[in-house]
Parts: sequence; structure tokens; C-alpha cells
Amino acid sequence: GQQVMQIPQYQHVQEGEDFTTYCNSSTTLSNIQWYKQRPGGHPVFLIQLVKSGEVKKQKRLTFQFGEAKKNSSLHITATQTTDVGTYFCAGRTGLIFGTGTRLQVFP
Amino acid sequence: KAGVTQTPRYLIKTRGQQVTLSCSPISGHRSVSWYQQTPGQGLQFLFEYFSETQRNKGNFPGRFSGRQFSNSRSEMNVSTLELGDSALYLCASSAKGLVITGELFFGEGSRLTVL
Repeated sequence: GQQVMQIPQYQHVQEGEDFTTYCNSSTTLSNIQWYKQRPGGHPVFLIQLVKSGEVKKQKRLTFQFGEAKKNSSLHITATQTTDVGTYFCAGRTGLIFGTGTRLQVFP
Repeated sequence: KAGVTQTPRYLIKTRGQQVTLSCSPISGHRSVSWYQQTPGQGLQFLFEYFSETQRNKGNFPGRFSGRQFSNSRSEMNVSTLELGDSALYLCASSAKGLVITGELFFGEGSRLTVL
């Protein structure tokens, strides 16, 4: 069946460092969404990408959708302690969530 | 606008029992989807209801079932509970449903512990 893998599983960074998580699907996705879940919280929608090769930015966050629509990435520039949490990608055709990347930021 | 409301927030059951969880979506949202979140398996899709009809189903055994009412509120039921059913159960509502592109709004979840 369809699988969506994320790497890395965990990432510890020093505040101010950059962070990237990658999402890879075994099948072509109609679109991809990204969610952030703070510790003890619930997933919160960040963004949706639909077009092949699409790039979107939200302040320090940059999202990319691969040309083949099978992979995506989230890059955070100059991390802050408020970025702590687990980041999930979610691929549509059905809705399959990636395995998540837990980000820890040390001040 | 009120968010997605899930009840109960926490519950403890024993093996073999059954449990019913409730989810009230955002007003006007007709799609409710359910997810199981565990440390080992991450977020896994259970099923989605739209206008009282189940439109998508994940890869879970028949012990997991759900329904949606005419006011879009949804319930999920797990029968014959097993230890492995201990998890955070999240529901999400969407204005457009999973078949069509749409942002998901998650509730706080119901944390089920099976002893």
C-alpha cells in the first residue's frame, strides 16, 4: 500500500541553526499537506502544496513539492524554541500521514 | 467559531470492553475523519465520514467502526478492546472532505488506555 516516510525521525538543533525534514511517498500524490504538533497538543495545519515543483514560504519556513509529486521538504531557517514539535507531512490520495520528524531546539 | 470538540478527553478501559468516542466538528463542516496516534505507528487514518456516509477507510480491523449523524457529529466505536488499542484518538473536521483538497482541523483528542 501507499507509504509516506519522513526523515529524520528526530533532530536536535541549537537555536539559530537551520532544520530540514524530508517526506517521501511510494506513490504520486495529488497534493501534500504539512502539520505541526506541539508536545501534548494536536496537529495544526501549516500549508498545502498542489503543483509539481511548487515552493511556498511562511516567514522562516520554506515548503517544497517535488517535480514528480512524490516527495516534499520543509526547511526552517534560524530555528527558535517556538519551533519545537513534531512535523508531519500528509499525502493525499486517501490521506496518509508521514512518520513525523520530532524537532528539539536547544537555547 | 468553536473548534473541534472531542469527548471524553481521557478514559481507561480493560481488555474485552468496548468504547465509544465522540467528535463534534466545526460548525458547517461536513467531513469528519478519525486517526489513531501511537508512539510506534505515528498517525494512522481510520476512516472518514461525509454527510453521514463513510467515504474512506484505513487499514484497521472491523472492531473499529464509526458513524456520523445528520448534524455532522461523529462517533467511533472500538469493540473487544486489546492492549494495543491504547492510543490518542484524534478526529479532524474539514469543510471539503478528504476526497477534495481541504485543510484539516484537529480536536484535542481522546486518550484511551486499555489495561
